[in-house]
Amino acid sequence: GQQLNQSPQSMFIQEGEDVSMNCTSSSIFNTWLWYKQDPGEGPVLLIALYKAGELTSNGRLTAQFGITRKDSFLNISASIPSDVGIYFCAGNTGTASKLTFGTGTRLQVTL
Amino acid sequence: DVKVTQSSRYLVKRTGEKVFLECVQDMDHENMFWYRQDPGLGLRLIYFSYDVKMKEKGDIPEGYSVSREKKERFSLILESASTNQTSMYLCASIWRTGWNTEAFFGQGTRLTVV
Repeated sequence: GQQLNQSPQSMFIQEGEDVSMNCTSSSIFNTWLWYKQDPGEGPVLLIALYKAGELTSNGRLTAQFGITRKDSFLNISASIPSDVGIYFCAGNTGTASKLTFGTGTRLQVTL
Repeated sequence: DVKVTQSSRYLVKRTGEKVFLECVQDMDHENMFWYRQDPGLGLRLIYFSYDVKMKEKGDIPEGYSVSREKKERFSLILESASTNQTSMYLCASIWRTGWNTEAFFGQGTRLTVV
């Protein structure tokens, strides 16, 4: 099945730094979702986006639904050690329940 | 809060065994999905269900079957487990309204076939 292009693949940052990652698609989506997955656990939904241009925050996390509806961005401000994990984007066209997932961004935070 | 519960966190099974992975959701969602997750391959869709007794093949259904006898429960069955089915299995329950969709995952089952 198709996967979304997610970048960067991995990031090593220092505690306190801001983080940005993005997902791009060749298809238009009506929903963009962002997840975090800790090792050995299931993904946890962080933010859901439903409108082109929409900017939504969840604590230190901010995500945006791209104007073209083919991309989305996630920013984490002032990173802390518990931000370590893999972040996934997912898109849905709205015409069916299937999701298309990004390849994941592995985030490492050093003290 | 939505709760999606997978029956086991870790399983070790022998080659040729029949394996049942159970998933239960408490939000009355119609759509439920089973994925497997492997390093470098991401999340791959095995089977999904739109309603009780309804099932659809995903991208990698070979060697698997599913059962949806009740709305809240979606079971994945490995008919004859093989070592290449060693993986992390994730169940998801999907909420949809209009064009909007959200997926909620269980905690995952790490299956090892020896």
